[in-house]
Amino acid sequence: EVQLVQSGAEVRKPGESLKISCEASSYSFTHYWLGWVRQTPGKGLEWMGSVYPGDSDTKYNPSFQGQVIISADKSISTAYLQWSSLKASDTAIYYCARGGPNYYYYHMDVWGQGTTVTVSS
Amino acid sequence: DIQMTQSPFTLSASVGDRVSITCRASQRISHWLAWYQQKPGKAPKLLISKASTLESGVPSRFSGSGFGTEFTLTITSLQPDDFATYYCQQYDSHFTTFGQGTKVEIK
Repeated sequence: EVQLVQSGAEVRKPGESLKISCEASSYSFTHYWLGWVRQTPGKGLEWMGSVYPGDSDTKYNPSFQGQVIISADKSISTAYLQWSSLKASDTAIYYCARGGPNYYYYHMDVWGQGTTVTVSS
Repeated sequence: DIQMTQSPFTLSASVGDRVSITCRASQRISHWLAWYQQKPGKAPKLLISKASTLESGVPSRFSGSGFGTEFTLTITSLQPDDFATYYCQQYDSHFTTFGQGTKVEIK
């Protein structure tokens, strides 16, 4: 069964750094784009960016460019989303999701279970 | 950005009802539209891609239609398991965007 398993919930203070992960299994990790989607009550679902693990090509939503870093380690079939300095407004649920084999703008057919990030002083 | 507008925001219906949700794109997106179902505490689940292609394992009471700027998700004979929030997503542009969601509630 194709699966994406995300790391657990995190609580951080403003200004702290964080890296969350998404481990893929049962498919060719290097041949599909892997995206990150943020969900908040106020803005709903937002695509943040995607990485192609085969060559680490990365695309970002302009709203998130410079705010986060998306990466992948193909040796362990794991993608990452990281922040260097969290803000309270980063409080959200973050999902990883598998995109297409050729395009990063594609429907997302497999989703991780979500990682809740809470940023509070 | 391509804006996706869903209607209604909330839909109250009974088991057995036929319900439809509309998604409008701010510009033409051909058939590059997906529909997702999300239940509380769970990740979205892909139901339909390319506007009308049902994903494997999705019940046939779900169907999608539309092209260009207006799309519809229809559920014939609503079942208890269908009460959830539904989202559309366009992937025509280099910047995929989602609708704000439609919550299907029990009447």
